[in-house]
Amino acid sequence: SYELTQPPSVSVSPGQTARITCSGDALPKQYAYWYQQKPGQAPVLVIYKDSERPSGIPERFSGSSSGTTVTLTISGVQAEDEADYYCQSADSSGTSVVFGGGTKLTVL
Amino acid sequence: QITLKESGPTLVKPTQTLTLTCTFSGFSLSTSGVGVGWIRQPPGKALEWLALIYWNDDKRYSPSLKSRLTITKDTSKNQVVLTMTNMDPVDTATYYCAHNEVSADTATGWFDPWGQGTLVTVSS
Repeated sequence: SYELTQPPSVSVSPGQTARITCSGDALPKQYAYWYQQKPGQAPVLVIYKDSERPSGIPERFSGSSSGTTVTLTISGVQAEDEADYYCQSADSSGTSVVFGGGTKLTVL
Repeated sequence: QITLKESGPTLVKPTQTLTLTCTFSGFSLSTSGVGVGWIRQPPGKALEWLALIYWNDDKRYSPSLKSRLTITKDTSKNQVVLTMTNMDPVDTATYYCAHNEVSADTATGWFDPWGQGTLVTVSS
């Protein structure tokens, strides 16, 4: 079955830039979406269609795509950004939803 | 404002069938491009997509769980129901429903917002 691969963890210091990657063979063909999940809370959409930011999401969150890898970038990381981040996309046929394994962002 | 809330049993026995209801407001499941999905998350683990139903009654299921899942909608009640048969302790998880949107250039769309989730424990 189709999989999206994320690094298990990323660590950055406050004010630095965090980059979280998500790799999958169908990503050149299918959009990617990113969710932030804090402990005990439901996920929140932070990026849709690879690079679009929903209203209410800070500008420091951005997304990009290159080949089979999409990247969530958080510029000027703040302590409140510490959370799990999940990418989501579709399989090559566009019929099934797939989530990545999640990346724990630690703000040192 | 779109809101969703999951309801159902908190404890089920192995082999039983789980029935979860998602009650929503702020949108209509008869509007083109709109869907409702179910996603679960075992304690301490990653999100796993289960099923999706769209405004036109198109239904999608996780390939690995397809034989156990059924998703239906009641547009008049603003509800979506998910049933999962033959429950096992490994199905213990928080189950979320979420609003979904698709457009001409997207495949399965994105989930926003999500309900608060409901923890279902499978144990005898």
